[in-house]
Amino acid sequence: QKEVEQNSGPLSVPEGAIASLNCTYSDRVSQSFFWYRQYSGKSPELIMSIYSNGDKEDGRFTAQLNKASQYVSLLIRDSQPSDSATYLCAVNYGQNFVFGPGTRLSVLP
Amino acid sequence: KAGVTQTPRYLIKTRGQQVTLSCSPISGHRSVSWYQQTPGQGLQFLFEYFSETQRNKGNFPGRFSGRQFSNSRSEMNVSTLELGDSALYLCASSPMTDTYGYTFGSGTRLTVV
Repeated sequence: QKEVEQNSGPLSVPEGAIASLNCTYSDRVSQSFFWYRQYSGKSPELIMSIYSNGDKEDGRFTAQLNKASQYVSLLIRDSQPSDSATYLCAVNYGQNFVFGPGTRLSVLP
Repeated sequence: KAGVTQTPRYLIKTRGQQVTLSCSPISGHRSVSWYQQTPGQGLQFLFEYFSETQRNKGNFPGRFSGRQFSNSRSEMNVSTLELGDSALYLCASSPMTDTYGYTFGSGTRLTVV
């Protein structure tokens, strides 16, 4: 069974700090990886995608992928209280996206 | 550009009834997927449609079914509703599968009483 695992948290960081969110997946053939942000009561919103080993930066967000270790992470620099949300890691297993359970992030003012 | 539109936003149904939920994808998106989200189980994949064909199905009973029309609009149906079917049902669309992420609609909140 194809799985995606995340630490459910909550992860608490002070405002201005770097938040580090981690995700592991079970199938080496996966080629596409995504991070979604979900605010309470809202639907998930795509914030990052990554397909190749290494880092991909977009503003305050950096996604990191290590296929050998089957590990993908999301770094949020200069965290803001508005970043407080649940972050979902998603892995594309062919024609099926599998989502992790999400990590709840709380950025403290 | 309009986003993914789901109707209705809220539904209350009685056990044993059936329900149909509707999803209009972003214009030009041909792939539509459905997910069930509950506090205990997170996001669970129901099925994915591409060009009117169901390409993949999650591990849900046969009471859950769906279809996609030629204009890419999709519906899902749940028959013989159970209390455990109470959840947020999310539809998501993508131009293609494999390399594109999905854009989610606002969801339909189904409550079964």
